[in-house]
Amino acid sequence: GAVVSQHPSRVICKSGTSVKIECRSLDFQATTMFWYRQFPKQSLMLMATSNEGSKATYEQGVEKDKFLINHASLTLSTLTVTSAHPEDSSFYICSANPGQGYEQYFGPGTRLTVT
Amino acid sequence: GQQVMQIPQYQHVQEGEDFTTYCNSSTTLSNIQWYKQRPGGHPVFLIQLVKSGEVKKQKRLTFQFGEAKKNSSLHITATQTTDVGTYFCAPGAQKLVFGQGTRLTINP
Repeated sequence: GAVVSQHPSRVICKSGTSVKIECRSLDFQATTMFWYRQFPKQSLMLMATSNEGSKATYEQGVEKDKFLINHASLTLSTLTVTSAHPEDSSFYICSANPGQGYEQYFGPGTRLTVT
Repeated sequence: GQQVMQIPQYQHVQEGEDFTTYCNSSTTLSNIQWYKQRPGGHPVFLIQLVKSGEVKKQKRLTFQFGEAKKNSSLHITATQTTDVGTYFCAPGAQKLVFGQGTRLTINP
């Protein structure tokens, strides 16, 4: 099956700093990728749709200036959490579809802890 | 967007017992996908249902889509410890809106 990677897998940062998370499709190209966040023992909440070569589409209630998304190539989308605060601590997961089926392939996730 | 309710939120069973999770919508769904997330892992696609009344089987897993396409279920026969995890339903195609999930734990 298709492979999606994320980097880093874990990151700890201080309050007020910014953190960049990468999502890569390793064996396919993806014009669209999706970013989710998941709090412990909760469901995945869709944050935004990352569109290659154009602006991301954010879900209602997600601050676009807080969560910057860049999809500069067909295999890479980045999510930058700006001016991170402890409440931003969460599990961030990306997904992509190779285009040959309907299932989403998820990255392994990035656990962000803001101290 | 399409919203779904999943029940139960938690289910604990003895190994070998059956397990069922239900996914309900107030609106008609065009399709629904099911995913499994192991503890500490990421969601993995299980299946997509599209047709009214559709039933699909994967070994011990049976997936159903209601006649009205407003509900779906996942039934696991004779659970094994490898079935532990959270099962999510998600209507949509590429852009998925996940249900709350049902967390399955198993007593070996």
